Amino acid sequence: QLQLQESGPGLVKPSETLSLTCSVSGGSINSYNNYWGWIRQPPGKRLEWIGNIDYSGRTDYNPSLRSRVTISADTSKNHVSLTLTSVTAADTAVYHCARLEREHPYFYYYMDVWGRGTTVSVSS
Amino acid sequence: EIVMTQSPATLSVSPGERASLSCRASQSISTNLAWYQQKPGQAPRLLIYGASTRATGVPARFRGSGSGTEFSLTISSLQSEDVAVYFCQQYYSWTFGQGTKVEI
Repeated sequence: QLQLQESGPGLVKPSETLSLTCSVSGGSINSYNNYWGWIRQPPGKRLEWIGNIDYSGRTDYNPSLRSRVTISADTSKNHVSLTLTSVTAADTAVYHCARLEREHPYFYYYMDVWGRGTTVSVSS
Repeated sequence: EIVMTQSPATLSVSPGERASLSCRASQSISTNLAWYQQKPGQAPRLLIYGASTRATGVPARFRGSGSGTEFSLTISSLQSEDVAVYFCQQYYSWTFGQGTKVEI
């Protein structure tokens, strides 16, 4: 059974860089039919897609965050990482990682397995 | 950006009764819509994808319908374990509705 577990610092100072890891167990991130994504939910707001990475390392980012986001994958450790630079209080949120599954026979991807999320606060 | 709007914000239903949730897209998304259930402290759980296909292990009382811009999720006979927040998501470009809280 596939499980995803987010980890990282719970508190980051403004202007610094946020780094999170999504550890995947029960399956490989090196899968042709899957993307791996990051989503966040600020307090009292709706979920916001951050970006995805596929098996080849190709990435796709939310345009509103593209200048500050990097998603990478380490197949040897079977984990996916998120880096967000120059954080502000607006980046305070619960951060989730998720697997995206391809909807056959199409090339659209929905999020079928999620992690519980990790809370990140941006404060000095 | 495709904006997803859910209604109502909160839905109170008696056990055994039907719960009907709505989700509207600001432009046509065909059937590229998923529904999720989230309980406090838990990971979101996929219920429906392709607007109407139940995910593995999802009880038959959950039914999704719609296409284009109008979608719905129906819980035919509400159980106590169905108390949760439900949100819709379009996966053309991955935006989410604001959620509907279902309570008993």
